[in-house]
Amino acid sequence: GQQVMQIPQYQHVQEGEDFTTYCNSSTTLSNIQWYKQRPGGHPVFLIQLVKSGEVKKQKRLTFQFGEAKKNSSLHITATQTTDVGTYFCAGPVSLLYGGSQGNLIFGKGTKLSVKP
Amino acid sequence: NAGVTQTPKFQVLKTGQSMTLQCAQDMNHEYMSWYRQDPGMGLRLIHYSVGAGITDQGEVPNGYNVSRSTTEDFPLRLLSAAPSQTSVYFCASSYRGSGRGIKETQYFGPGTRLLVL
Repeated sequence: GQQVMQIPQYQHVQEGEDFTTYCNSSTTLSNIQWYKQRPGGHPVFLIQLVKSGEVKKQKRLTFQFGEAKKNSSLHITATQTTDVGTYFCAGPVSLLYGGSQGNLIFGKGTKLSVKP
Repeated sequence: NAGVTQTPKFQVLKTGQSMTLQCAQDMNHEYMSWYRQDPGMGLRLIHYSVGAGITDQGEVPNGYNVSRSTTEDFPLRLLSAAPSQTSVYFCASSYRGSGRGIKETQYFGPGTRLLVL
């Protein structure tokens, strides 16, 4: 079936180091979304990428969508303790796999910890 | 706007008990979903609804029922709780998005932490 895979599962960094998480889909996606979940919190939408090769930036966060629209990455420059949390990527569930408009399939997330 | 609200925040059940997790949204979203989150498993879709009166099963529907009598409310019922249902449950909503911006973005509630003994 349709899968969205994220690596790494965990990442421990020293404050000020960079961080990258990668997302790979088994199917071509019409868009990919990124969410952040703080410890004890709920997932919060960060960004959506739609175009092949698209790159978007939010302050120290850089998001990329691959040319084939099957992979994506999130890069954080100079991590801060406020970046701690789990980062999820998600894409629409394909109708070929029984999905319905509005459904998302989530990766398992990358848990980021930052040592001050 | 309150966004997506969920009650209760925490619940402890005994095996075999039933309960309803409440979810409401005030954004007039057509789509609503229930997910469960377990360590290392990410977010897994339990049930979803594309509008009032319409529901369908997600990836892990067994042991759960839903109904959607209004646009605002989407309760999740545990019929006979089992320890395997110990989890964090998130309700989410999204709008159809056609001509209104970003599609399929999920707005999550704060979650219900459920422990089944």
